[in-house]
Amino acid sequence: NAGVTQTPKFRILKIGQSMTLQCAQDMNHNYMYWYRQDPGMGLKLIYYSVGAGITDKGEVPNGYNVSRSTTEDFPLRLELAAPSQTSVYFCASSKGQGGETQYFGPGTRLLVL
Amino acid sequence: DQQVKQNSPSLSVQEGRISILNCDYTNSMFDYFLWYKKYPAEGPTFLISISSIKDKNEDGRFTVFLNKSAKHLSLHIVPSQPGDSAVYFCAASAGHAGGTSYGKLTFGQGTILTVHP
Repeated sequence: NAGVTQTPKFRILKIGQSMTLQCAQDMNHNYMYWYRQDPGMGLKLIYYSVGAGITDKGEVPNGYNVSRSTTEDFPLRLELAAPSQTSVYFCASSKGQGGETQYFGPGTRLLVL
Repeated sequence: DQQVKQNSPSLSVQEGRISILNCDYTNSMFDYFLWYKKYPAEGPTFLISISSIKDKNEDGRFTVFLNKSAKHLSLHIVPSQPGDSAVYFCAASAGHAGGTSYGKLTFGQGTILTVHP
C-alpha cells in the first residue's frame, strides 16, 4: 500500500493564480482531511469529508474548495492564490466511525509570491 | 483561541534519559487525545492515544498520562533514543465516544525534541 500520496511536493504560485493540490489514499478509508501548517504552528483543519460526495468546512476554509467524487481522491482547490496561503498542506485519511487515528501524506509546500 | 497548547517549543534530553512532553487543553468537550510525531519533510505519524475514560496508556517506551481535572496530558518516552528526535504534536477531538467528531482533530503547536547521544 502506498498509503496517502500528495502531489506536487512543492509549488510556487503568483498572486491570483489557481491550482489544485492532489491527494489520494489506497486504504479504502471513508474519512479524509486537509490541513495547513504555518511555521511554528500546529495543523489547522481546512476541509474534511466523511465519504464520497460529502464534504464540510473545517477551521480555516476561506480561499479553498474541495470535492470528493471517489473514495480514493480528495483534491483541494485554491482559486485566487494569496500570500497568506503560503504554507505546508497535509492530506490525511482515517477509517472513520470514531477512529481518529489519521494517516498523513508527506505534504505539499506552497509558496505564493 | 488556542484550545490545545504545547507551551514548550523545544526540549533537549540526553540519550537514555526520560523525555516528558506536555500539553494543556481548554475545551472540556475533548474526550480523545493523541500524540503524533513528525520528521522534517514528512507527514505526521500516529504515536499513541488515550480516551478520557482512562488516565494512562502505555505502548512500549511511550506512555501518555491524562489529568482531566487539570486539563493536562503528558507524553513520557523512556529511555529516549536519538531516533526519537522529531517534532511532537498533541491533538484532541470532541465527540469521539458518540461518534460525532468525524475524526476532526485540534492540534497543538508542537514541541521539538532533540535527543543527544
